Amino acid sequence: DVKVTQSSRYLVKRTGEKVFLECVQDMDHENMFWYRQDPGLGLRLIYFSYDVKMKEKGDIPEGYSVSREKKERFSLILESASTNQTSMYLCASSLWGSVYGYTFGSGTRLTVV
Amino acid sequence: GIQVEQSPPDLILQEGANSTLRCNFSDSVNNLQWFHQNPWGQLINLFYIPSGTKQNGRLSATTVATERYSLLYISSSQTTDSGVYFCAVDADYKLSFGAGTTVTVRA
Repeated sequence: DVKVTQSSRYLVKRTGEKVFLECVQDMDHENMFWYRQDPGLGLRLIYFSYDVKMKEKGDIPEGYSVSREKKERFSLILESASTNQTSMYLCASSLWGSVYGYTFGSGTRLTVV
Repeated sequence: GIQVEQSPPDLILQEGANSTLRCNFSDSVNNLQWFHQNPWGQLINLFYIPSGTKQNGRLSATTVATERYSLLYISSSQTTDSGVYFCAVDADYKLSFGAGTTVTVRA
């Protein structure tokens, strides 16, 4: 089974800090995604990547950046954390053109105080 | 982008009851998936169903692509079915999610 591993389950950071959320997948998937989940809003796409060093903005990229230096790793960066970025962050990966869909990590619950 | 609407937002069931969750989407899609998010936050893919009907145990799903909706059926519900069910559609290789239906099954 594909595994998508997120480095932290819970994270508490201070306003203004630079925050890194890490995601690693072990099945050579081309596509990787970062979503945030908020009550009543479902999952919203922040950024995604189709290949190493490639990135595309999703629906809510403001305040975030990403890095994909290796195929298996996709990092989400909050340059200056704010309280409105308190949320659950979910990473996912998928094989290009796969009919089997996406695999998600177990999420990182980030609290910015 | 594509709009995805799920109904109802919340559902409370007695164990053993049947239920239907609905997902409407605003445009043609390549892919539609149903996910279950368990109380620990893990999203599990239930069905990949861009069209037609599929069944997996007590769960089944039907997508009518021409009318832009999908239905998820839960039969003989169990407490382990509790959680949030998401519908997600893919028109350009990235998933757009609905807001989810929170299902609570009471013993």
